[in-house]
Amino acid sequence: DARVTQTPRHKVTEMGQEVTMRCQPILGHNTVFWYRQTMMQGLELLAYFRNRAPLDDSGMPKDRFSAEMPDATLATLKIQPSEPRDSAVYFCASGDGTSNYNEQFFGPGTRLTVL
Amino acid sequence: EDQVTQSPEALRLQEGESSSLNCSYTVSGLRGLFWYRQDPGKGPEFLFTLYSAGEEKEKERLKATLTKKESFLHITAPKPEDSATYLCAVREAGGFKTIFGAGTRLFVKA
Repeated sequence: DARVTQTPRHKVTEMGQEVTMRCQPILGHNTVFWYRQTMMQGLELLAYFRNRAPLDDSGMPKDRFSAEMPDATLATLKIQPSEPRDSAVYFCASGDGTSNYNEQFFGPGTRLTVL
Repeated sequence: EDQVTQSPEALRLQEGESSSLNCSYTVSGLRGLFWYRQDPGKGPEFLFTLYSAGEEKEKERLKATLTKKESFLHITAPKPEDSATYLCAVREAGGFKTIFGAGTRLFVKA
């Protein structure tokens, strides 16, 4: 049963600390997306990659957020330094970029709380 | 600017009471409209992709339709297990960027 995995599932940290979230896309998928979900803003696209190359990260606060794909099986989202307003659920999704329409399949999310 | 608006925000139905959820969109060149279901504490689960006006897709009690400006998710004879948030999203032409609506929270009472 192919699925996207994310770690950690929950993270509580203090303001100013570095946070790293990891995502393993579905094997064979070559597009990876990072989203943030809050009650106020809903699902916001932060960044996305195709074939490990960043295509768009305009949704991310550049001064503190960074996203990378060290290899085809791992995507990371890092926040440094973290702030209370970063508290949200962060989702990773992957898709088969060879499809014209690229349905996205989501992981279970990382719930981040910054105190 | 691309936009996706879903209505109503919340919908309460009795079991067996059919209804529809609406998703209206503004996008410069639609490459796909997607419906997802999200249960509390979980990631969105893919339901349908619609590609062009007039297209329809069905899955169990759900049927999605698409026009040039909006999509409907029809729920026929819903059951309590259909209770969830239903999200609509559009992908614009020329890239992979996907914009999500705020969702409709559906509650089905037995």
